[in-house]
Amino acid sequence: KAGVTQTPRYLIKTRGQQVTLSCSPISGHRSVSWYQQTPGQGLQFLFEYFSETQRNKGNFPGRFSGRQFSNSRSEMNVSTLELGDSALYLCASTFGQGYGYTFGSGTRLTVV
Amino acid sequence: SQQGEEDPQALSIQEGENATMNCSYKTSINNLQWYRQNSGRGLVHLILIRSNEREKHSGRLRVTLDTSKKSSSLLITASRAADTASYFCAPMDSNYQLIWGAGTKLIIKP
Repeated sequence: KAGVTQTPRYLIKTRGQQVTLSCSPISGHRSVSWYQQTPGQGLQFLFEYFSETQRNKGNFPGRFSGRQFSNSRSEMNVSTLELGDSALYLCASTFGQGYGYTFGSGTRLTVV
Repeated sequence: SQQGEEDPQALSIQEGENATMNCSYKTSINNLQWYRQNSGRGLVHLILIRSNEREKHSGRLRVTLDTSKKSSSLLITASRAADTASYFCAPMDSNYQLIWGAGTKLIIKP
């Protein structure tokens, strides 16, 4: 079966712009989580969606938002980009709580 | 804040040797998961051990869990060059949220 698909793979944006990242989970997985990974901070949890509802949220400013559609596909949006938002953004899906997560290859965002 | 901590931060061994990585955490957990990441790419799920389990095997991987000490270990036997990667333990807390550490960088020398 197809894995978790994240688009785009690479993105270069200018400070102040906004960006939308997309994630298509594995078919049948209704939970989608987003993470930010940087060399200095490691993996930081952004939010989790289940059946179109945000179930958990990490400690990120309101500039970071997300949503999930009825087909479980998810998007995350970052507004007013800052240089510090440069990172690898990973999406992961799971069948449910208590199961392992399948990660996408990530979107590498560079803010200049 | 990150509550999972892997030890050592880096490990370099000869191909064919065994590699052991340790993980400590601070909260009560539902389960603990180990992941591998190659070259800054996506993570791959290796194994999940539930809080009521003490040991689990998967191929060349052996994971132990000691909930009284809030610690886990990952043993990779007969290491191969392809095992070179960063390894992360991710305890799942009572809110079913994975808690990530900084990982262990494992280098397998030919």
